Amino acid sequence: GQNIDQPTEMTATEGAIVQINCTYQTSGFNGLFWYQQHAGEAPTFLSYNVLDGLEEKGRFSSFLSRSKGYSYLLLKELQMKDSASYLCAVSPNTGGFKTIFGAGTRLFVKA
Amino acid sequence: EAQVTQNPRYLITVTGKKLTVTCSQNMNHEYMSWYRQDPGLGLRQIYYSMNVEVTDKGDVPEGYKVSRKEKRNFPLILESPSPNQTSLYFCASSSHWGAGEDEQYFGPGTRLTVT
Repeated sequence: GQNIDQPTEMTATEGAIVQINCTYQTSGFNGLFWYQQHAGEAPTFLSYNVLDGLEEKGRFSSFLSRSKGYSYLLLKELQMKDSASYLCAVSPNTGGFKTIFGAGTRLFVKA
Repeated sequence: EAQVTQNPRYLITVTGKKLTVTCSQNMNHEYMSWYRQDPGLGLRQIYYSMNVEVTDKGDVPEGYKVSRKEKRNFPLILESPSPNQTSLYFCASSSHWGAGEDEQYFGPGTRLTVT
């Protein structure tokens, strides 16, 4: 079967660094996405990885290891507005426009 | 403004009463998709479309229908809604797929309650 696992909840302190992990098992692999979703709102795109390694975008970085079926999202200099759910999603190599999402990690940033 | 719109945003209905949730995008995107989001389960793909008149099932298509007669519109149809279809529904679109940074743009969501 196809499966994506990520922690349900995490708590971190304002100004700190937090790493949200994601492991996946899918039928092939065509890219991994991270989305941010604030409560009551739509998901918004954060990052995309298709090759192994680290992609950096300002305070956010995302890492991928295809051989391990593993990714993480790194958030630096945490701000209160970073309190949100972070969704890991994989495009399996099954053709079509299929996307599989993890259940999401709810991040609480405390002062 | 580039956007995906959905209507209605909120809907309470009764079992068996047919309903349609509309989705429209103004970005000329070829790819569109419907998801439902339930607590603890995350986003699950219902149906997707890769172009006009081209649709296919996602992971949870039972009880739903879609159509893609125009590029901008991708309505979701529940012929006979049941309480287990109570959920938050998102429509999304993308300009291309399988060729790079294929981010999806999501609509604001439709919260459906079936009693």
